[in-house]
Amino acid sequence: DVKVTQSSRYLVKRTGEKVFLECVQDMDHENMFWYRQDPGLGLRLIYFSYDVKMKEKGDIPEGYSVSREKKERFSLILESASTNQTSMYLCASSSGTDYNEKLFFGSGTQLSVL
Amino acid sequence: SQELEQSPQSLIVQEGKNLTINCTSSKTLYGLYWYKQKYGEGLIFLMMLQKGGEEKSHEKITAKLDEKKQQSSLHITASQPSHAGIYLCGAVTNGNNRLAFGKGNQVVVIP
Repeated sequence: DVKVTQSSRYLVKRTGEKVFLECVQDMDHENMFWYRQDPGLGLRLIYFSYDVKMKEKGDIPEGYSVSREKKERFSLILESASTNQTSMYLCASSSGTDYNEKLFFGSGTQLSVL
Repeated sequence: SQELEQSPQSLIVQEGKNLTINCTSSKTLYGLYWYKQKYGEGLIFLMMLQKGGEEKSHEKITAKLDEKKQQSSLHITASQPSHAGIYLCGAVTNGNNRLAFGKGNQVVVIP
């Protein structure tokens, strides 16, 4: 089975801190995604990547950046965390060049910014 | 913009009763996914539908994609507490190059 692993289950940070959320997948998938999930707003796409060193903005990229130096790892970076970035962050991966491929999700990171 | 509308937003059913939730798109769907999420956890894949009129079942869950490929329903027969959670539909629509999601249907099953 495909495994998508997010480094932290719960994270508490202070306003202004630089935050790294790590995601690793073990099935050699080309595509990786970062979503955030908020009550009443559903899942919103932050950034995605379809190849190493490639990245594309999703629907809400402001305040975030990403890094994909290796195929299996996709990092989400909050340069200066703010309270409105308190959220559940979900990483996902999929294979192939067809964006209509099934996504495999990690267990999520619940980030609280105080 | 939100292209997938899920209804009802939340649903409470007695254990053993059937339930149906819906996912409606304003655009033609090129693949519709149903996922389930337990509170505070990641999404678990349930089913994928691609062809108009397609219907798939897994255990007591049946999902259908209508002929015009703009709406999907998910039906649970004889609901159990294990069916409780948030059901999310995700889809690729014309002009998009990634999966977008609805806001989810929250299902509560009362023993």
